[in-house]
Amino acid sequence: KQEVTQIPAALSVPEGENLVLNCSFTDSAIYNLQWFRQDPGKGLTSLLLIQSSQREQTSGRLNASLDKSSGRSTLYIAASQPGDSATYLCAVIYMRGAQKLVFGQGTRLTINP
Amino acid sequence: NAGVTQTPKFQVLKTGQSMTLQCAQDMNHEYMSWYRQDPGMGLRLIHYSVGAGITDQGEVPNGYNVSRSTTEDFPLRLLSAAPSQTSVYFCASSFRQLGTGELFFGEGSRLTVL
Repeated sequence: KQEVTQIPAALSVPEGENLVLNCSFTDSAIYNLQWFRQDPGKGLTSLLLIQSSQREQTSGRLNASLDKSSGRSTLYIAASQPGDSATYLCAVIYMRGAQKLVFGQGTRLTINP
Repeated sequence: NAGVTQTPKFQVLKTGQSMTLQCAQDMNHEYMSWYRQDPGMGLRLIHYSVGAGITDQGEVPNGYNVSRSTTEDFPLRLLSAAPSQTSVYFCASSFRQLGTGELFFGEGSRLTVL
């Protein structure tokens, strides 16, 4: 079964720390992997998209890496701020199967001032 | 650009009633889709469309209908609402076929079925 797993489910860190969120997927045949942010009661905001041919993408304080052979992606957040508090979702488009994103359950991140 | 616009934002229905959730995008995206988000289940695909006149089922299509008569609009119809359809519904779109670019989401429609 094609799945996406995110560990931990929740993470709380003090402001200013660098942190890593993890995402694993079960099939290395993917088109791309996308990281989203979701604030409570809101929709999903795209943060970074990594195509299957890429190893990483960067946007500001965010860096996402992709290792297809091991079925893993990480989202690195540098110098965390209270405004980074949100749920972070990882989603994969698998080559085999329907045209859909398969989402992880998300990591709820809290940055404490 | 408004992006992906969903209406209504909130709706309460009684069991057996029907309604339509509206989704519109102004980015000339070919791919559009509907997801539902439930606690502990994550986001699951209901239906999707790769262009006007073309729709297909996702993971959880039962109880929902869609049509795509224009590039801009992709409404989701609940034929006879059931309490199990209480959820937050998200519409999402992408420029071309999924896998070639980012997926953009609307703000969501929160539906309660009593």
